[in-house]
Amino acid sequence: DTGVSQDPRHKITKRGQNVTFRCDPISEHNRLYWYRQTLGQGPEFLTYFQNEAQLEKSRLLSDRFSAERPKGSFSTLEIQRTEQGDSAMYLCASSSRQVGEKLFFGSGTQLSVL
Amino acid sequence: TQLLEQSPQFLSIQEGENLTVYCNSSSVFSSLQWYRQEPGEGPVLLVTVVTGGEVKKLKRLTFQFGDARKDSSLHITAAQPGDTGLYLCAGARTSGTYKYIFGTGTRLKVLA
Repeated sequence: DTGVSQDPRHKITKRGQNVTFRCDPISEHNRLYWYRQTLGQGPEFLTYFQNEAQLEKSRLLSDRFSAERPKGSFSTLEIQRTEQGDSAMYLCASSSRQVGEKLFFGSGTQLSVL
Repeated sequence: TQLLEQSPQFLSIQEGENLTVYCNSSSVFSSLQWYRQEPGEGPVLLVTVVTGGEVKKLKRLTFQFGDARKDSSLHITAAQPGDTGLYLCAGARTSGTYKYIFGTGTRLKVLA
């Protein structure tokens, strides 16, 4: 399977705990995106990388959120001291000029903070 | 602040009917994409439009980008139950940026 892979698919955690999600993009794609989506709403932009460089980060993100893409391949999104309002679907996407900047999305990680 | 507003928010129609979904903004976009998303999955790209006034057709789906590149529409002819899903528009504000902002979404249900 050469699509975008996200792990885990589901995460249940208690308020105050830290969580980390992983995204493996399509191998030849140099851009990687993180979005957050709540039920019935459009995805909300969080951040994106070009290779290993984090080019933009949403001002909506608090300091509790951090993302890395250390070698320009897979990426991790960490949420520290989770709050109930962090409950959402976290989507990862990748793209490249070769595919006309089409965003290929993974199936997401559904986070529930109790 | 949501830059892209979609209407209607919800739409339930009978099989065979036509419908139009709108994506509006006060901002200019260098390109605009339409996606469809099914429950538990990520969005899947349907089309990209880049030129003001551009019209693209994909089988029963017709996409139009406004002349001023601030709005777009998606028209579905003779809707089928398989068209059911969440339709999303997404735009890039300026050329050379790859930050895509998504609209508020339109949930479509087509009844057999």
